[in-house]
Amino acid sequence: DTGVSQDPRHKITKRGQNVTFRCDPISEHNRLYWYRQTLGQGPEFLTYFQNEAQLEKSRLLSDRFSAERPKGSFSTLEIQRTEQGDSAMYLCASSPIGQTQETQYFGPGTRLLVL
Amino acid sequence: KQEVTQIPAALSVPEGENLVLNCSFTDSAIYNLQWFRQDPGKGLTSLLLIQSSQREQTSGRLNASLDKSSGRSTLYIAASQPGDSATYLCAPAAGNKLTFGGGTRVLVKP
Repeated sequence: DTGVSQDPRHKITKRGQNVTFRCDPISEHNRLYWYRQTLGQGPEFLTYFQNEAQLEKSRLLSDRFSAERPKGSFSTLEIQRTEQGDSAMYLCASSPIGQTQETQYFGPGTRLLVL
Repeated sequence: KQEVTQIPAALSVPEGENLVLNCSFTDSAIYNLQWFRQDPGKGLTSLLLIQSSQREQTSGRLNASLDKSSGRSTLYIAASQPGDSATYLCAPAAGNKLTFGGGTRVLVKP
């Protein structure tokens, strides 16, 4: 399967711990996005990479959050000192660069529960 | 700031009926609009993408229309099936990000 993959699929942690999620985009997709979705809501944009450059960050992305895409392939999203309000589904998406904005393809998500 | 509203929030229909899902957005300066399907606890599956220059896009039993000037899009699903039960999300794209509505939760009863 060559779709977007995310790891882990589920994570339970205690408040104050650090967590890191990984996203592997579709091969040759230059753009990679992170979104967060809380229960009953639509996803909200967090950040976006084009190759290894992080080009946009939402104000939702507090200084406890950091995302990287060091070689322009996979990406990691780290949350430091987790809080209960961080409990959500974290979704990754990728898209190719085209002449127009292209379809974003989403992974299965990482569900985080902070106790 | 783009705001996206989806009405109704939930919809229950008998199998075979046509579904009409509405999406409205406040900022018409969009590049395109995507419709997604989400099954419980899962990621999003892209259904259709309409470019801002298009009025309509079709895929099988799905048809999506876009009226950019009035900030509206509608997803039609013909001859609904129980397998169509899911949450449907619309997301206009501006810049490099999607802004999502809250979704319409659809239940198709056999």
